[in-house]
Amino acid sequence: GAVVSQHPSWVICKSGTSVKIECRSLDFQATTMFWYRQFPKQSLMLMATSNEGSKATYEQGVEKDKFLINHASLTLSTLTVTSAHPEDSSFYICSVHSGTVDYGYTFGSGTRLTVV
Amino acid sequence: AQSVAQPEDQVNVAEGNPLTVKCTYSVSGNPYLFWYVQYPNRGLQFLLKYITGDNLVKGSYGFEAEFNKSQTSFHLKKPSALVSDSALYFCAVRARNTGGFKTIFGAGTRLFVKA
Repeated sequence: GAVVSQHPSWVICKSGTSVKIECRSLDFQATTMFWYRQFPKQSLMLMATSNEGSKATYEQGVEKDKFLINHASLTLSTLTVTSAHPEDSSFYICSVHSGTVDYGYTFGSGTRLTVV
Repeated sequence: AQSVAQPEDQVNVAEGNPLTVKCTYSVSGNPYLFWYVQYPNRGLQFLLKYITGDNLVKGSYGFEAEFNKSQTSFHLKKPSALVSDSALYFCAVRARNTGGFKTIFGAGTRLFVKA
């Protein structure tokens, strides 16, 4: 199956700065990647579907200008949290899927973002 | 409105005993149903999914789940639990609503398997 590398595993940043999280498919060309957010002691929220070479598809209620997604190649998708605020602190997880069915099957190890 | 419920925050089971982690859902239309497992400080791992077809779905690590349309349930089961099954389990449903598809995760159920 696909191997997914997510970087960084954790990051601390100041309010107002932007943070970029990378998700790489190491051994597989992923036309579709997914980004999730997990709050402490809460469930996951699918944020968006990242499509190679085209715009990401955001889930309802997710701010497109706040969470910028770029999927410029078949092996890399990036999530940039712009003008971060403490409420953006969370665990962000990416996943990849091999085909056109609905969901990702292989997940990255996650990135813990803390905004101070 | 769409919703997913995992009524148990925590499930405790002895090793070797069967386990069940419950999930019920409420959606309009036909749902796509999923189970995921999360180990500490790790991303999620896909266990199984139901899209269509046979109501009993077999997945990774010996887990299975049964889609019950009349009860709108998709309970996760395993005949014999292992200590290594201890983790956080999420049920998810993806269905069409106004504005397109939406995916909702349950709150998660923490499974403890005692040796």
